[in-house]
Order: sequence, then C-alpha cells, then structure tokens
Amino acid sequence: GIQVEQSPPDLILQEGANSTLRCNFSDSVNNLQWFHQNPWGQLINLFYIPSGTKQNGRLSATTVATERYSLLYISSSQTTDSGVYFCAVISHYGGATNKLIFGTGTLLAVQP
Amino acid sequence: DAGVIQSPRHEVTEMGQEVTLRCKPISGHNSLFWYRQTMMRGLELLIYFNNNVPIDDSGMPEDRFSAKMPNASFSTLKIQPSEPRDSAVYFCASSHGQGAADTQYFGPGTRLTVL
Repeated sequence: GIQVEQSPPDLILQEGANSTLRCNFSDSVNNLQWFHQNPWGQLINLFYIPSGTKQNGRLSATTVATERYSLLYISSSQTTDSGVYFCAVISHYGGATNKLIFGTGTLLAVQP
Repeated sequence: DAGVIQSPRHEVTEMGQEVTLRCKPISGHNSLFWYRQTMMRGLELLIYFNNNVPIDDSGMPEDRFSAKMPNASFSTLKIQPSEPRDSAVYFCASSHGQGAADTQYFGPGTRLTVL
C-alpha cells in the first residue's frame, strides 16, 4: 500500500520562529489533508489540499502531487502551535473505500 | 454545532469485559469513521459508514470488534471480550460527503485502558 513519511519526526522551536514540515508519499494520491493534534489529543483538520497552495492565517500548505510531496509552513510560531502534525492521503488506487492513510507525524514543541 | 461527540472520554476496564464506545456525528454528515490511535501503529481506520451502511470494515482487528450505526445520529464500537492490547485512543470522525474525500471532523476521542 501507499507509504506516507513525514519529516522531521520532531522539532523544537522558539516562539516567533518559522518552520516547514514535509510529507512524502509513495504513490499518486487523490486527496491530502493536514491535521494538528494538540497536547490534549484533539485532532483538527488544517487543510484539504490535494494540489496547489492554501493559506490560513499563519499556516500555509503546498502540495506538489506530481512530485509526491506536501509542505506545511508555520510562520511566527506560538506555543499553541505545539502538538503533532499529521499528513494523511488517499491513494489514487485506493478503490471505493477512499481510506485516509496517516503519516507518522511531526512532533512540534514551541518554547516561550 | 457541537461537533462530533464521543462518550465516554475515558474508560478503564478489566480484561474480558465488554466495552462500548459511542459516537454522535455532526448533524447532516453522511459518513462516519472509527479510528484507533496507538504509539506502535499510529492512527488507523477501523471501519467506515456511509449513510449508516458499513462500507469498509477491513481495518477491524478481529471478531472481538463490532460496530453499528442504527441511525444517522448514532454509532457504537463494541469490543467483546476486551484485551490489554486493545488499550488505545479511539476516535470517531464524520464528514459531509461520501468516503474520506471530504474534510473529516474528529471527536475528542475515548481513551481506553484494559487492565
């Protein structure tokens, strides 16, 4: 099945710094979503981005489907950005199920 | 809207006991998903319903697990009998469209501990 790899596995930032998280996937995808899991465990959908670029406040994401990667940019990081960031994809060959396959995540800690 | 609601938030039980997890999806959403999150396996889909019908249960670990969706506003995930390896956080998610293609909204999860 499709493999989803995220890097870096963990990251420590000082408040105000910028960061880029990467998601590589091994096959063509129909769908790609970014999620943030906060320290209390809540999963929040950040972006639905099978291709192109989207921005939402200090966050933006870019997916280059032909090269099988997506990037999540966090600018002027805040302590509330801490948590785990997951990339999830639906394989183009996933069939009727359209199952979301999650990456292993990037653990981000933003220090004041 | 209150979002996806799950209960209980925490469950501690002894091996061999039956466990029932509950989920109320967002009103108007057609698809419902049950996920399990563990340190070893990450987030994995257990079962997916569309319009109350199970579409794919290939992620259900074994016969001890069962899920139902009797109506559009309620779903249960049952484990009988429970085992220590079932300890995990179980998430329910819902989306407006069919399949996983639409944005999925997750509930707060149920943290299950089987002793």
